Amino acid sequence: EDQVTQSPEALRLQEGESSSLNCSYTVSGLRGLFWYRQDPGKGPEFLFTLYSAGEEKEKERLKATLTKKESFLHITAPKPEDSATYLCAVPGGGSYIPTFGRGTSLIVHP
Amino acid sequence: NAGVTQTPKFRVLKTGQSMTLLCAQDMNHEYMYWYRQDPGMGLRLIHYSVGEGTTAKGEVPDGYNVSRLKKQNFLLGLESAAPSQTSVYFCASSRDGPYEQYFGPGTRLTVT
Repeated sequence: EDQVTQSPEALRLQEGESSSLNCSYTVSGLRGLFWYRQDPGKGPEFLFTLYSAGEEKEKERLKATLTKKESFLHITAPKPEDSATYLCAVPGGGSYIPTFGRGTSLIVHP
Repeated sequence: NAGVTQTPKFRVLKTGQSMTLLCAQDMNHEYMYWYRQDPGMGLRLIHYSVGEGTTAKGEVPDGYNVSRLKKQNFLLGLESAAPSQTSVYFCASSRDGPYEQYFGPGTRLTVT
C-alpha cells in the first residue's frame, strides 16, 4: 500500500530560526512529489514539484529536496507569514492519482 | 481567469437531506477531484475524473455520487446526508496526471 508520512505534525519556530519538514513515501515508481501550502480556511496552494532524486527547487525562503525515500522542505530564516500547514503528495504507484500526507502545521512566532 | 471555483461556500443540512456541490474550472484541465478534509485525517479523495464523461472512486466514495457532463464542471452529490459527512470539501483540477493540482476555496458542510 502506498504511504506518505509527514513529520513533525506541528512545528513552532521563532522568526529567523531555520528548520526542515520531512515527507517520507513508499511508492514504487515515483512519478513526482508535490509540496503545497495551506492557509487556514483556504484550499491548498501549489509550491513545488520534484521528479527525481537529487533535484532541488527554491522559492523565497523555501527549498525542497528529494531523495529516493523522502523529501525535505527547508525553511531558512522564516517569517510569521510563513505560518501555514505544509502538505506533500505523491501519485500512487498504480495511477497518477496523488496520495496526500497529513501535513505539518508550522507556526512562526515574531 | 478565476481558476477553480466552488459553490456554495457554506451549507447546513439536516440528516437525510440531499444537496449538490458544484465545482468549475476555467483552465481546460482534464483531471478533476473531490476531497474531504477532516481534522487529523488530512485530505482524502472521494471521487475523481480523468476527462469529460468519466468518473472513478477514490478512497472514501460511500454516500457520494459525482458527474462530469462538461469538461469544466464536476458535481458532487449527497443523496441522504449523514452527520459523518460534516467536513470541508475541496475540489481540485490538474492538467492531467501527474501534474500539480489547483484547488478551490472549499465548501464547509455541516450535517445536523
